[in-house]
Order: sequence, then C-alpha cells, then structure tokens
Amino acid sequence: EAGVTQFPSHSVIEKGQTVTLRCDPISGHDNLYWYRRVMGKEIKFLLHFVKESKQDESGMPNNRFLAERTGGTYSTLKVQPAELEDSGVYFCASSQDWRDSFYTFGSGTRLTVV
Amino acid sequence: GQQLNQSPQSMFIQEGEDVSMNCTSSSIFNTWLWYKQDPGEGPVLLIALYKAGELTSNGRLTAQFGITRKDSFLNISASIPSDVGIYFCAGIGSGNTGKLIFGQGTTLQVKP
Repeated sequence: EAGVTQFPSHSVIEKGQTVTLRCDPISGHDNLYWYRRVMGKEIKFLLHFVKESKQDESGMPNNRFLAERTGGTYSTLKVQPAELEDSGVYFCASSQDWRDSFYTFGSGTRLTVV
Repeated sequence: GQQLNQSPQSMFIQEGEDVSMNCTSSSIFNTWLWYKQDPGEGPVLLIALYKAGELTSNGRLTAQFGITRKDSFLNISASIPSDVGIYFCAGIGSGNTGKLIFGQGTTLQVKP
C-alpha cells in the first residue's frame, strides 16, 4: 500500500510569490489533514477534509491560505501571496475514520520564504 | 485553545542510557499518542493510549496515560543510535473531528 505522498519535498520562494503544495492520501482514506510545523515549535493543525468537504478549517492562519480537495482524492494547499512567517514544514496526514488514531503522515514539504 | 507542554526540549545521552520525556496539559484529553519523526520524514506513531492510567509498551518504549487525563510520559530504555529523532506527544482534541494537538517535541541525540 502506497503511503501519503507530498510534493514538492522542498520549495524556496520569494516573499509575495505563490506556492501550491500537493498531498496524495492513502487510497480509500476519506479523512485528510494538513498540519504545519514552524521551526522549533509544535506541529499545528490547519484543516481537515472529509472527502471533498472541509470539516474543520479552524487552524488556517489567514485568507492567504486556500485548501482544496476536488473529487475527494488529492488535496492542494495554496499560499498566495507568501510571507516570511509562512516558512515551515507542511505535513499532510490521512486516515480511514476520524475516530481512528492511526493517521499516516506524509514526509512533508519544507517551505522557505525568502 | 488546547495546548500541550512537552519537556525536555532536547536531550543528549549516551548509548545504553534510559530516557524519559513527558507532556502536560491544562485540559483533558481522551487519547494520547506518541510519535517519532526521523529527519526528512513525517511523524510515525509509536504508541497510542486510550484509557486513564493505561501503561503500554512497544519494545523498549513504554508510555503511560496519566490518571488525571492531563499528562503522559514516554520512556525509552537502553537507548541505541537509531533512537535519534524528534519525539512528539499528541492528544486528540475536542470537537470530534480527530484533530491532533501536538507538543513542541523532544529532540533526542544518542552518542555511541
């Protein structure tokens, strides 16, 4: 079984530019989560999809962040325009049931905004 | 919002030593999880705890769910070089969505 795949693994962009991160969950997993870890701090929840619907987006920092999951398969997280404080590692995780604590995380996308 | 305080922030130990790290919270969690993150990888679940007072082992790892539901600890016995990484505690937050609340992480370095 393929794991959770994230692309790209690294991205360096200039302040003001746009970046789109992609996550392919494990096939059949309806629940998809985005998390972010800023250097040295805790991993913070961003949002949760159930299939194509946003179940909880309480962790999204501001309206420069847009997440989509068209068709309930892969998800994208767009940051536009990027700011310096957006730098960090963005993780995606998926699970079959939100009550199931066995989330599988992707390897993350390390975003650096300069 | 709900927060977890994890300590210590980092540890540098000799191979063979035992390690202990813990997490505390001001609010109750019904599930506690411990993850390990290797460099360049995502967090991987080590141990899941579902009941207050529960003590669970996974090889050289032992974790406990505090009686008050506001704390948990993870012990690693007889550390080896491959134990190096970042260890995170996490609790499943309120709201019944499965959202994880993470601690700040404990960076473990093991000297051979």
